[in-house]
Parts: sequence; structure tokens; C-alpha cells
Amino acid sequence: AQSVTQPDIHITVSEGASLELRCNYSYGATPYLFWYVQSPGQGLQLLLKYFSGDTLVQGIKGFEAEFKRSQSSFNLRKPSVHWSDAAEYFCAVGAGNRDDKIIFGKGTRLHILP
Amino acid sequence: KAGVTQTPRYLIKTRGQQVTLSCSPISGHRSVSWYQQTPGQGLQFLFEYFSETQRNKGNFPGRFSGRQFSNSRSEMNVSTLELGDSALYLCASSQNRGGDTQYFGPGTRLTVL
Repeated sequence: AQSVTQPDIHITVSEGASLELRCNYSYGATPYLFWYVQSPGQGLQLLLKYFSGDTLVQGIKGFEAEFKRSQSSFNLRKPSVHWSDAAEYFCAVGAGNRDDKIIFGKGTRLHILP
Repeated sequence: KAGVTQTPRYLIKTRGQQVTLSCSPISGHRSVSWYQQTPGQGLQFLFEYFSETQRNKGNFPGRFSGRQFSNSRSEMNVSTLELGDSALYLCASSQNRGGDTQYFGPGTRLTVL
């Protein structure tokens, strides 16, 4: 069965520091992978997605993620965070199979220190 | 293109009542999925509609139901509300089914008193 694990519930980094949010998935075939961000009281906004091809994916707001098949991971990175990046981040996996739904991780809440 | 819209944005109901939430997908999107989001459980999949038919369902009781209209707009209904139904209900639309990219609306915040 598909599953997504985000090991860190909360992460705190200083403004200007680099960021890496972890995501591990479980799926038998090549998955479709997504990262979403949610600001308080808002819906989810797509940051980036991986379907196939280049394993390093660029997204909006300066974020990137790398698909590592051997580690079943799709970690999200940003070289220098801004205070406005404080939000909750969700990793998700889809199968591309018409009968499968997208599975979301529990989320990682990012806190930014001034 | 306009994004996914959900109405109402906020709702307060009492136990035992029923509620209907509405979702208008992005133009051209045929799939609509609904999620319940709570602090304790995170994002939980409720159901997916495609071409007016429910295609997938999560593990929720029969009090939760939905439908999709020919213009792809969708409604979800919760009957006999319980305190535990208080949550943010999110709607997401995508062009196709399966792992296609989902675009989310702002959500409806339901509070059950």
C-alpha cells in the first residue's frame, strides 16, 4: 500500500539558514511525488511535483526537491529561508493509476527564528 | 483561470444538524476530491468524484456523502453532525484522475457546537 512519512513534525531554522524537509514514501512502482505548503487557515498550494525525468525538481518560491529512488525519498530543500516561509509543508504520493488516490504525509510545521 | 472556490468559508452548526459544503473546480478540471483536515489526524481523504460518479472513498461513516454535477461542481453533505466533525474541509480539483496534480481551494472551516 502507498504511504508517506514525514519524520519531523516541527522544524525550527533561523532566517537565512538552509532548509531540508524529509519525506519518505512507500510504493511499488515509480510514484508521482508532490510537495505542498499550507499557510494558517488556508488551502494547500503546490510547490513542486515529480512525475519522471530529471530527479532534481525546481519549484516556486525558491524550493527544490530531489527524488532518490534508492532511498525512497523526496526531500524538499531551500538554500536560504525567509520569515514568510513559516508554514506547514506536506509531501504527497500518487500512483498515476486512475483508481489510486493521492496520499498525504502528516506534515512538517516550519518555524523561522528572526 | 480562476482557482478552486469553496463556499461557505466558515460555518457554525450544532450537534445533530446537517450541513452542505460546495466546491467549484478550476475550469476544465473533471475530478474533485474532498479532504478533512484536523490537528490530530492531518489530511484525511473523504472521496473523489469524476464525471458525476464517486470513484474513490475514504474510511468515513455514511453520514458523509457527496455528489458532482454535470459542470463538475461538487457538494459534500454531512448529516447528524457530531462534535468530532469540526474540521477544515478542503476540496481539490484536477484535470484527470489518479496521480494527477491536485489544486486546492481555501477550505470551509466547520465548527460543531
